[in-house]
Amino acid sequence: SQQGEEDPQALSIQEGENATMNCSYKTSINNLQWYRQNSGRGLVHLILIRSNEREKHSGRLRVTLDTSKKSSSLLITASRAADTASYFCATKETSGSRLTFGEGTQLTVNP
Amino acid sequence: GAGVSQSPSNKVTEKGKDVELRCDPISGHTALYWYRQSLGQGLEFLIYFQGNSAPDKSGLPSDRFSAERTGGSVSTLTIQRTQQEDSAVYLCASSLSAVQNTEAFFGQGTRLTVV
Repeated sequence: SQQGEEDPQALSIQEGENATMNCSYKTSINNLQWYRQNSGRGLVHLILIRSNEREKHSGRLRVTLDTSKKSSSLLITASRAADTASYFCATKETSGSRLTFGEGTQLTVNP
Repeated sequence: GAGVSQSPSNKVTEKGKDVELRCDPISGHTALYWYRQSLGQGLEFLIYFQGNSAPDKSGLPSDRFSAERTGGSVSTLTIQRTQQEDSAVYLCASSLSAVQNTEAFFGQGTRLTVV
């Protein structure tokens, strides 16, 4: 099964609202990363949080990591229609170098 | 090049034929990943290469799938005797190092359709 599992699978909000997506994983990790994908093609890296970090910010993005619960969340504040995309978390396990992706959250921001 | 390049962008092939998918990683990136993504699904890990180390092939779904990385740069994913269930987008990514805390850069993928 996938190392990372996102929740919810789909999220629909109005422009200006905040969007929160969650990710759970199973093993010990070096870091956790969030990616964005438009139109089912290449993914774009958004943010990386190391296992010894608890929170990280980048522009309108805020990521938290709770290694005791093996979970992370991605918050997008003041969402825009252009934020509509699929968002994936990916984990880099301590036992190897595989970068494992979850199933993703489809975010729709309505104008 | 400026980014990860994959070719072809789209490939339609007949069931039973072999296909080769190519990935040109970013120059200097030692790690290279291949993933498969079916419509509306997540990314399924296939294989990764790190420098001169033996590749991690544990994600390859069957012995019809193989991959090479020549000279630590260009990689080719080969699917022999293609089946309809092989239809998917095949994504390649590279990073400076598979071990350190670095991001992966993705190509635009190859959309494979087996008819």
